Amino acid sequence: DAGITQSPRHKVTETGTPVTLRCHQTENHRYMYWYRQDPGHGLRLIHYSYGVKDTDKGEVSDGYSVSRSKTEDFLLTLESATSSQTSVYFCATRRGRTFYEQYFGPGTRLTVT
Amino acid sequence: DAKTTQPNSMESNEEEPVHLPCNHSTISGTDYIHWYRQLPSQGPEYVIHGLTSNVNNRMASLAIAEDRKSSTLILHRATLRDAAVYYCILGSMDTDKLIFGTGTRLQVFP
Repeated sequence: DAGITQSPRHKVTETGTPVTLRCHQTENHRYMYWYRQDPGHGLRLIHYSYGVKDTDKGEVSDGYSVSRSKTEDFLLTLESATSSQTSVYFCATRRGRTFYEQYFGPGTRLTVT
Repeated sequence: DAKTTQPNSMESNEEEPVHLPCNHSTISGTDYIHWYRQLPSQGPEYVIHGLTSNVNNRMASLAIAEDRKSSTLILHRATLRDAAVYYCILGSMDTDKLIFGTGTRLQVFP
């Protein structure tokens, strides 16, 4: 357990509205990740961060942006939510490059109507 | 990124050993083999990882083929709590990210 919390845990929003999901960690891990999980697709990496203000794209980054202004917080923003972004979103952390274990948060279920 | 291939699903009876296979024929010399599992309604959790030699920990054993083109996660005595999706993933020391596939869904019957 790496002290990862995600907020909100559940959210229903309308198409076209902006949405921000928050991941908070208490273990001072360097790396943070955002994944989405959909039936038939497994877990897909959206964006990740390797330090404060250092971020990079993953497999499915279109329509998403991220920010990391503090070590403990990693924000995922959907600028204009679409129904295709209905999914379960997982945040994960990793202590550092030589540490292989990733720790995952409990997930956020987002529904875009 | 090198790919892995896993069966979509497997079944086991409680208290029996389970061998979960993973093929990774394009693995590079620096790729580690990682296994994670995801219990229902939870985020994934780390299980084990290895490079060349077989590895054991309190959760499972990892058997790696001599040519490293395949590996097997071994649960020595399956319990109902082991019912989960198991992911086999490759990643090197230089990898900042892990790319998950769809994994193997393991069902355990009493």
